[in-house]
Amino acid sequence: EAGVTQFPSHSVIEKGQTVTLRCDPISGHDNLYWYRRVMGKEIKFLLHFVKESKQDESGMPNNRFLAERTGGTYSTLKVQPAELEDSGVYFCASSPWTGESYGYTFGSGTRLTVV
Amino acid sequence: DQQVKQNSPSLSVQEGRISILNCDYTNSMFDYFLWYKKYPAEGPTFLISISSIKDKNEDGRFTVFLNKSAKHLSLHIVPSQPGDSAVYFCAAKVRGSNYKLTFGKGTLLTVNP
Repeated sequence: EAGVTQFPSHSVIEKGQTVTLRCDPISGHDNLYWYRRVMGKEIKFLLHFVKESKQDESGMPNNRFLAERTGGTYSTLKVQPAELEDSGVYFCASSPWTGESYGYTFGSGTRLTVV
Repeated sequence: DQQVKQNSPSLSVQEGRISILNCDYTNSMFDYFLWYKKYPAEGPTFLISISSIKDKNEDGRFTVFLNKSAKHLSLHIVPSQPGDSAVYFCAAKVRGSNYKLTFGKGTLLTVNP
């Protein structure tokens, strides 16, 4: 079974530019989550999809961040325009059901650097 | 406002000895606690968990202890192995939420041969 795939693995962009991160969950997993870890800080929840619907986006920092999940399959997280404080590692995770949190499978993350 | 705190950024132990990683929390609504392990360039992977109705959970070399009155939990690894070297994250979820995790900052464990 393929795991959660994220790309790119690294992205370096200039302040003010736009970046789109992609996440391909495990096939058949209805639940998809985005988390972010800013350097040296904790991993923070951003949002949760069930299929194509946003169930909880309480962790999204501001309206420069837009997440979508087309047809309930892969998801994208767009940052526009990027700011320096957006730098960090963005993790995606998926699970087959909204059950125990240990059912999560995390991807390897996208390291975003805004210069 | 950090609700899950891992106050030790790093820990170094000798192979074969016990590793003890600590975690404190402030939110009384947390009812389930988890430990994740993370290797460089990989995502976190689930290690072990404990419900707030228990005070201990054991899985092989890994044991998690929960002290609710002190709002403190710890992860014990016995015996420690070089392959255990990784960042360990403590995480918690609020009663009624089955998906949203609140993480600590992590502790880098180095097990020396």
